[in-house]
Amino acid sequence: GAVVSQHPSRVICKSGTSVKIECRSLDFQATTMFWYRQFPKQSLMLMATSNEGSKATYEQGVEKDKFLINHASLTLSTLTVTSAHPEDSSFYICSASLGFGQPQHFGDGTRLSIL
Amino acid sequence: AQTVTQSQPEMSVQEAETVTLSCTYDTSESDYYLFWYKQPPSRQMILVIRQEAYKQQNATENRFSVNFQKAAKSFSLKISDSQLGDAAMYFCAYRVPTNFGNEKLTFGTGTRLTIIP
Repeated sequence: GAVVSQHPSRVICKSGTSVKIECRSLDFQATTMFWYRQFPKQSLMLMATSNEGSKATYEQGVEKDKFLINHASLTLSTLTVTSAHPEDSSFYICSASLGFGQPQHFGDGTRLSIL
Repeated sequence: AQTVTQSQPEMSVQEAETVTLSCTYDTSESDYYLFWYKQPPSRQMILVIRQEAYKQQNATENRFSVNFQKAAKSFSLKISDSQLGDAAMYFCAYRVPTNFGNEKLTFGTGTRLTIIP
């Protein structure tokens, strides 16, 4: 149980393109999902907390207009990287929790490469 | 702000031997959770073990166990009978309950574990 699916696993696109990444909880409902970014050989950095039916909460230094988050249902959150540039190239991972006090379960991640 | 420190960027262990990965954290909270996650080359984050701060008993999961020292704010991971499949990046993580369902994880910088055949 507690499977989180993330799609796509790999994206390569030209600079200026907007890219959408989906995060789905397959066998449970998640009122809250989390989006992380991971640079090579570094730790996960929380970008934002996605709340179903309300606005996402962004961490300090993360541009909300650059990284659009939508959590329209209890099983789906999307992260859209708008007008992506090479510096946005990174590994993006989402996670979801079963509820209060429960561990977060992670998707398989999306490797984004902007040319 | 809460911080998590992993002082060992890299560790190696002979197959079938035991290895301990260190983690310390800084917090003023009394109620929190601690986790160890494993990230193999596939980059998937896999939960290894979890510890509730209010529990004095150290958590164990098969070959994985922790040494939780609350007063010292230390949370080390012991891997017994190391196997080749244990090779991965290991992250220590801390979480304090905030609003319901809105519980952020703070990760350490990771320890890369190599298993020597």
